[in-house]
Amino acid sequence: DTEVTQTPKHLVMGMTNKKSLKCEQHMGHRAMYWYKQKAKKPPELMFVYSYEKLSINESVPSRFSPECPNSSLLNLHLHALQPEDSALYLCASSGGGIYNEQFFGPGTRLTVL
Amino acid sequence: GQSLEQPSEVTAVEGAIVQINCTYQTSGFYGLSWYQQHDGGAPTFLSYNGLDGLEETGRFSSFLSRSDSYGYLLLQELQMKDSASYFCAVNSGYSTLTFGKGTMLLVSP
Repeated sequence: DTEVTQTPKHLVMGMTNKKSLKCEQHMGHRAMYWYKQKAKKPPELMFVYSYEKLSINESVPSRFSPECPNSSLLNLHLHALQPEDSALYLCASSGGGIYNEQFFGPGTRLTVL
Repeated sequence: GQSLEQPSEVTAVEGAIVQINCTYQTSGFYGLSWYQQHDGGAPTFLSYNGLDGLEETGRFSSFLSRSDSYGYLLLQELQMKDSASYFCAVNSGYSTLTFGKGTMLLVSP
């Protein structure tokens, strides 16, 4: 199974809502990532988890809160978002190694009203 | 910090060959990767160069010159399905990738 799954596919939320994005992989990868991608822009790294521990936080606002419950799951908790946070949120995983090939999920298209 | 430069758009016709260049300035460098992303889809891995030279994978090849901080992706026998965005990405420490701004490739009949 070389798939990374993400739910939901689409999410519309108000600025006062709390919601969570979910990501799952069963490739035994020990590194998992959250990226944010705006239209016609490259993916921007937000967080890296390595062996279920947060190893990189790219100065992301605290309204985004990642969680790694186990080696297969990655969540992104959202609270008090702003309209400019509307974007495609991509999860990826990697087995490490020299290539560090990252496998991306299909993303969650988030709209903040 | 990291910065990568690649052309914003390239156009070509079916059956042609196209080269997408990437130059980079980084504080840490392990290798250069290339990813393809179709509109509405997820990025998918195409190739990786850790050492100087050419890597070939079917119709796609990728080249790296570490001394010139330069690489390229070569796509041969272009097909309509190759229309997509192509990102070069620097593999730096801590298993991270930093992506270039992306090149939109438009293949016409």
